[in-house]
Amino acid sequence: NAGVTQTPKFQVLKTGQSMTLQCAQDMNHEYMSWYRQDPGMGLRLIHYSVGAGITDQGEVPNGYNVSRSTTEDFPLRLLSAAPSQTSVYFCATSTGLAFQETQYFGPGTRLLVL
Amino acid sequence: DQQVKQNSPSLSVQEGRISILNCDYTNSMFDYFLWYKKYPAEGPTFLISISSIKDKNEDGRFTVFLNKSAKHLSLHIVPSQPGDSAVYFCAALFHSGAGSYQLTFGKGTKLSVIP
Repeated sequence: NAGVTQTPKFQVLKTGQSMTLQCAQDMNHEYMSWYRQDPGMGLRLIHYSVGAGITDQGEVPNGYNVSRSTTEDFPLRLLSAAPSQTSVYFCATSTGLAFQETQYFGPGTRLLVL
Repeated sequence: DQQVKQNSPSLSVQEGRISILNCDYTNSMFDYFLWYKKYPAEGPTFLISISSIKDKNEDGRFTVFLNKSAKHLSLHIVPSQPGDSAVYFCAALFHSGAGSYQLTFGKGTKLSVIP
C-alpha cells in the first residue's frame, strides 16, 4: 500500500517548456487535489477533483490543467512553464466529504523554472 | 487580502508545557476549519478539524477551539513533546454548493518544543 505517490521528486524546466506532474493513489479515494507551496507561504489549492471525470478550479488555477480519467491518477500539467511557477507541489487525496475528511498528502515535487 | 491569518511565524515552548497556536479568519462563510502539521521535506499531515457549528473538538493531546464571533480559532497541544516541532497550518473551508469548494490556508506557525 503506497498511499499517495508523486513523480518526479525534483524537476528543472526552462521557461516555456511544458511538463506533467504525476500523482497516483492506491486508497480508492474519491477526492484528489493539487496544491503549491511557495517559500514562507501556506498551501494554495490549484485544482481538485471530486471523482473520476469531474474537476474544478481552486484558488490559483491559471497556467495549469488537470484531468481525472481514473480514480487512481490525477496528473497536473504545466502548459508553458514560467519562473513564477517555481514551487513545491503537493497532491492530496481524501474520502468522504471533500476536504473535511482526513487528507493524505504525497511527499511533494520540487519544481524550478529557469 | 489574506482571509486566513496566522500572525505568529514562530513559537517556542518547553517540553511538557502547553502550546497554543492561533489563527484568525475574515470570511464568515467558512464552515469548516482544519489544522495540519508539516515536517521539512514532507507533505502535510492532517491533525484535527472542527465544524463551524461547534466550539471545541478534542483528539488526544490536541484540542481546537473555535470562537465564531471573534473569527478566531486556536490549537492547543498538551503536553507538548519534541516530536511536535513542525510547522502548523490552519485552513478554512467554504462549500459554495454544487460541488464547489474554497480551501484557504494560513502561512503557518513554526513550533519548536525545547527538551
